[in-house]
Amino acid sequence: GEDVEQSLFLSVREGDSSVINCTYTDSSSTYLYWYKQEPGAGLQLLTYIFSNMDMKQDQRLTVLLNKKDKHLSLRIADTQTGDSAIYFCAEGDNFGNEKLTFGTGTRLTIIP
Amino acid sequence: DTAVSQTPKYLVTQMGNDKSIKCEQNLGHDTMYWYKQDSKKFLKIMFSYNNKELIINETVPNRFSPKSPDKAHLNLHINSLELGDSAVYFCASSQGTGSELFFGSGTQLSVL
Repeated sequence: GEDVEQSLFLSVREGDSSVINCTYTDSSSTYLYWYKQEPGAGLQLLTYIFSNMDMKQDQRLTVLLNKKDKHLSLRIADTQTGDSAIYFCAEGDNFGNEKLTFGTGTRLTIIP
Repeated sequence: DTAVSQTPKYLVTQMGNDKSIKCEQNLGHDTMYWYKQDSKKFLKIMFSYNNKELIINETVPNRFSPKSPDKAHLNLHINSLELGDSAVYFCASSQGTGSELFFGSGTQLSVL
């Protein structure tokens, strides 16, 4: 079955760049997502990328997709304290398919 | 034990689809609510039910239809999903209006 893996923890100094990595196994994945969950809140869709793209940039966020290696990364430039959250990678094989497979989430901690 | 539970926790779907969110509370409360948290994190009440009867119906499109099979359950069905429906939906309950609210952990709905 599908599997999505992420590191559990990442600590970054304020102002540095954060890079959160994700690997997945389903070769039919069409859409890959990054979600952010702040303490006590629900998940929030940060961004997503189509499998026929290798990069997507949105302000401080850069998503890189290496489809050959099934590797997805999220780079946050100039990391701020407000970026502290859990970041979930997810993949789906159909557009709008609610049966996503989520990773375990990476807890990003910002060091002052 | 979970006091107010919602399912699913995450829902990603395509515009035009119909979806439901379920909510159950085991607190013995008479009143249940649906709130919508928009992109600005502002929490707005959508519906309130007391003993299975609709009490509050804020300005919500007819596409949203709550259903309360019994006072411990309040489900939310949404027809013809639109991009603007993307939000976190929180279920809550209380022992009557004006009493402390107990919230579920939210359902993140993303419409693509």
